[in-house]
Amino acid sequence: GESVGLHLPTLSVQEGDNSIINCAYSNSASDYFIWYKQESGKGPQFIIDIRSNMDKRQGQRVTVLLNKTVKHLSLQIAATQPGDSAVYFCAEWGGANSKLTFGKGITLSVRP
Amino acid sequence: NAGVTQTPKFQVLKTGQSMTLQCAQDMNHEYMSWYRQDPGMGLRLIHYSVGAGITDQGEVPNGYNVSRSTTEDFPLRLLSAAPSQTSVYFCASSYRTGVTEAFFGQGTRLTVV
Repeated sequence: GESVGLHLPTLSVQEGDNSIINCAYSNSASDYFIWYKQESGKGPQFIIDIRSNMDKRQGQRVTVLLNKTVKHLSLQIAATQPGDSAVYFCAEWGGANSKLTFGKGITLSVRP
Repeated sequence: NAGVTQTPKFQVLKTGQSMTLQCAQDMNHEYMSWYRQDPGMGLRLIHYSVGAGITDQGEVPNGYNVSRSTTEDFPLRLLSAAPSQTSVYFCASSYRTGVTEAFFGQGTRLTVV
């Protein structure tokens, strides 16, 4: 699979490959880190979250990894499918200040 | 159960006009929020509410007002529309404060000319 940071707008992967989407965060005090998926013409949809005291969490075909030492969050998608084509946002939950803060997003494009 | 419903889906305003974007949720969620989405800027928080009668400012509140008189509704008012407010607006709700799973509406695409 390929990996790319959020400073690059688009990630292109072959159908069936694994995808890795990376995100750098800045607020060490955030309680949760979250991944959202936005399909064209729709609102964002929750994928998975991870609490700040964890370093890995698995869902269905997705895994989120948190590296607090370098303030890095990643989303791994196994066996990428055409339906995974979307914009992916990492987000932080600010804890006491009750705000969900989103990153700028990256487009995942799946080649058939 | 319709989730989060936003109206209208599309709107064109002239500079200086005012309007209200409607948002309603039928999930009895305490927490509601408004975001704007601009190309290359991601989603930015405008205002949010942790419950009926309570609202607070987000990252980009200027030019917008909100109120939360009921649990279900969280309208966003543009006081005097400006071209800089051309954007896609999303309303979201969560069961309560601190819950990371937010449910988003389909969005309102607003153009100010």
